[in-house]
Amino acid sequence: EAGVAQSPRYKIIEKRQSVAFWCNPISGHATLYWYQQILGQGPKLLIQFQNNGVVDDSQLPKDRFSAERLKGVDSTLKIQPAKLEDSAVYLCASSLARGLNSPLHFGNGTRLTVT
Amino acid sequence: GIQVEQSPPDLILQEGANSTLRCNFSDSVNNLQWFHQNPWGQLINLFYIPSGTKQNGRLSATTVATERYSLLYISSSQTTDSGVYFCAVEFASGGSYIPTFGRGTSLIVHP
Repeated sequence: EAGVAQSPRYKIIEKRQSVAFWCNPISGHATLYWYQQILGQGPKLLIQFQNNGVVDDSQLPKDRFSAERLKGVDSTLKIQPAKLEDSAVYLCASSLARGLNSPLHFGNGTRLTVT
Repeated sequence: GIQVEQSPPDLILQEGANSTLRCNFSDSVNNLQWFHQNPWGQLINLFYIPSGTKQNGRLSATTVATERYSLLYISSSQTTDSGVYFCAVEFASGGSYIPTFGRGTSLIVHP
């Protein structure tokens, strides 16, 4: 089966600019996650979707971050405006079921550098 | 607060050595998974193990949910085992369904 696809792989922007990341989950996976991984740390959950509805976005900085999952398949994560501390790898993951009831599958991530 | 703690933070081994990585969690969990992040950043699921013991080749994992810890064993380590190992847990309280990751154990295996 095809894995989780993410693009772009790398992005460099200046602070206060905007950026968007795209994710295509494994076919049939109802649950989609966006994680932020800062260098040297574990992934931190930003938002979790079940089909096209938001399950949890308690750790999403909503003043600058937004995410959507139209038609319950692809998802985009946007940052506007970016800050220096947003420099990180943004990981998309998908699974058949909510939480850890089924294996989590990760994409290769997008490495964002904010200068 | 709710925490996932992994130890040791760093580990350096000679090829062929065995190792044990530990994951402690502060509250009851519904589910637990172990992951390997290779040097290129790709996260690969190793085990889904909310309780009991599982083995896959040179890797095995044990979770003792009542004592709130899980162990990942690597036997006869190889250079390709290098990377960061994460445990992720889903805490039982509040029906959160939120996978929470530890800070990881960074493993370097020298030839």
